[in-house]
Amino acid sequence: AAGVIQSPRHLIKEKRETATLKCYPIPRHDTVYWYQQGPGQDPQFLISFYEKMQSDKGSIPDRFSAQQFSDYHSELNMSSLELGDSALYFCASSPQSRLAGRTDTQYFGPGTRLTVL
Amino acid sequence: ELKVEQNPLFLSMQEGKNYTIYCNYSTTSDRLYWYRQDPGKSLESLFVLLSNGAVKQEGRLMASLDTKARLSTLHITAAVHDLSATYFCAVDEGGGATNKLIFGTGTLLAVQP
Repeated sequence: AAGVIQSPRHLIKEKRETATLKCYPIPRHDTVYWYQQGPGQDPQFLISFYEKMQSDKGSIPDRFSAQQFSDYHSELNMSSLELGDSALYFCASSPQSRLAGRTDTQYFGPGTRLTVL
Repeated sequence: ELKVEQNPLFLSMQEGKNYTIYCNYSTTSDRLYWYRQDPGKSLESLFVLLSNGAVKQEGRLMASLDTKARLSTLHITAAVHDLSATYFCAVDEGGGATNKLIFGTGTLLAVQP
């Protein structure tokens, strides 16, 4: 079965550089989520999109922005990178938003490991 | 603000033994999820619990939900080494159009032969 695809899988950047992470949801999934997981930490919700519109925001720094495109893939743009941004970034997708009232397990991608030097 | 706590944080157990991981959350929610994560890997969905009294079982794992007590449990029966991983519970914060998951602290399970 198709899974969530994330690219790149590994990324090394210097401080103050920018990074773009990409996420391709499971086919026919219209909802995308981004999470950040620091070393030894639990995943922290960053932002979500439903039908190409931003839906919910969590602890996402102002230096980060994201969008969902017409083909439902999503990109997380990170600027002025800091050492503390080093983490695993997960994208997840689900078939429908909660408004549809159906089971909506989030399926996680393999993650992008970002290292900021 | 929704807070999700798990205990224990670390669990070392012998093969063949039973144990329970507890997940408490601070505000009302009708959706609770359990995920498994191997080191450096993605999160694998184990269970989705959608109502009070829900119980789901898969192999040696059984999850239950008590929404009145705001408590979920993940019970491990006759543990085997392959179950070694970190287990997270996550609660849907609700209120938005999408499901914003708040994760617990995670329980690192090490099953010793």
